[in-house]
Amino acid sequence: EVQLLESGGGPVQPGGSLRLSCTASGFTFRSHAMSWVRQAPGKGLEWVSGIFGSGGSTFYADSMRGRFTISRDNSKSTVYLQMNSLRAEDTAVYYCAKHTEQIVYDAMDVWGQGTTVTVSS
Amino acid sequence: DIQMTQSPSSLSASVGDRVNITCRASQTISNYLSWYQQRPGKAPKLLIYAASNLQSGVPSRFSGSGSGTDFTLTISSLQPEDFATYYCQKTYTTPLTFGGGTKVEIK
Repeated sequence: EVQLLESGGGPVQPGGSLRLSCTASGFTFRSHAMSWVRQAPGKGLEWVSGIFGSGGSTFYADSMRGRFTISRDNSKSTVYLQMNSLRAEDTAVYYCAKHTEQIVYDAMDVWGQGTTVTVSS
Repeated sequence: DIQMTQSPSSLSASVGDRVNITCRASQTISNYLSWYQQRPGKAPKLLIYAASNLQSGVPSRFSGSGSGTDFTLTISSLQPEDFATYYCQKTYTTPLTFGGGTKVEIK
C-alpha cells in the first residue's frame, strides 16, 4: 500500500524553527517528485514547496522562500521541510504529497494525513 | 504568477443534481490542471489530472474539461458522499497554485 506519514509538527514560538518529515512507503520514492501543501484553519489549500525526484531542483511559494527549505533523502524515502523564522500566519496543517512523475509539473496522487504546526507565544 | 479563480465559492445542491464548478487561469496553462476533493478533517484526494483524465478509482460521475484558461469539473449526479470542498490546481509552472475552493453543500 502506498503511504505517506508526516511527523514533526507541534507548537512553536514566533521566530522559532521546526523540521517536518514525511516518510514514504509502497512505491519507488526516487521516481517521484514530492511537495508540501498547507491549510490554515478554516482556509483553503496553499502549495508550499516541491522537489524533483532526484532532489536536484527545489521550488517554493514566494512567501516561504528564504525561510523554508525542502530536501529529501532517497535512501530513507523521506522528504523534509525545514521551517525557520516562523510566524503566526504559518499556523496550519501541513500535508506532504507525492507527484505522479519525477518532476513537480503534474498532479499529486497520494497525500499524507497531515501534521499540525501551531505558531504562538 | 498565474492566478486561479474558482466559481462559485459555494453551492447548495440536492442528491441527483448535476453540478458544474469552474476554474479560470489568469494566463494559459494548456491542460496542466488537476481537481481535488477534500472532505472535512481529511486530506485532499485527486479526482482529475491533466484537465480531463479520471484518476484510477474515482467514480465515472466525475469528469473534467477545458484547456488554456477555462476549466470545468462536472459531477453528473450528485451523491451523498460528494458533499465536500473541491479545489483546482495548476501545475504548468511553479508556484503550483490552488483555486480558492468550492464548497458543495446539501440543499
